[in-house]
Amino acid sequence: SAVISQKPSRDICQRGTSLTIQCQVDSQVTMMFWYRQQPGQSLTLIATANQGSEATYESGFVIDKFPISRPNLTFSTLTVSNMSPEDSSIYLCSVEDPSGQSSYNEQFFGPGTRLTVL
Amino acid sequence: AQSVSQHNHHVILSEAASLELGCNYSYGGTVNLFWYVQYPGQHLQLLLKYFSGDPLVKGIKGFEAEFIKSKFSFNLRKPSVQWSDTAEYFCAVNAASNDYKLSFGAGTTVTVRA
Repeated sequence: SAVISQKPSRDICQRGTSLTIQCQVDSQVTMMFWYRQQPGQSLTLIATANQGSEATYESGFVIDKFPISRPNLTFSTLTVSNMSPEDSSIYLCSVEDPSGQSSYNEQFFGPGTRLTVL
Repeated sequence: AQSVSQHNHHVILSEAASLELGCNYSYGGTVNLFWYVQYPGQHLQLLLKYFSGDPLVKGIKGFEAEFIKSKFSFNLRKPSVQWSDTAEYFCAVNAASNDYKLSFGAGTTVTVRA
């Protein structure tokens, strides 16, 4: 398994501002993922972040709105840019099994960042 | 469109009652199946998983799930629930046909009354 921490745990932001969310893992991992969980809804994959390459975004998500950095194998950031109330969600990062023993893409999740945009 | 469906949005039951949560998926080919649980105020945790072999898998806290390939289902069960099982439960699937990206169902909120 992996221990994943996220900062901040929650924030309240004004419309039009940006927030950067940090995700730290206690071991080196190849792939990190960013999800959004809107109120009352399930998790939706935003993008996949591999170290040393550009993040791959899912349909409906774009780099200008959700820029991602992946400077090393234990850390990633997701920025929510030019926020609107519709961006109010929980944002989660996850990683695949860092031990490499699981070849079935099992993922472990961070505690999430609860974002409220006024 | 490929998807994961959970049949129940909210389930309320009493302690010692049996629980079954339905999950169906529409991906063809090789799939890996998961149930995640999110207890109040806690982060998402893996409850159990199926990759291959025995279609009846056992997870933590007395939960089990059965993979029925012909029905594209992976239902979660627990014979006797406890108040501490109050949580939100998510079925998730990754599939070769979707580059093994994890897709989640909408989730089922389970409330167990003491």
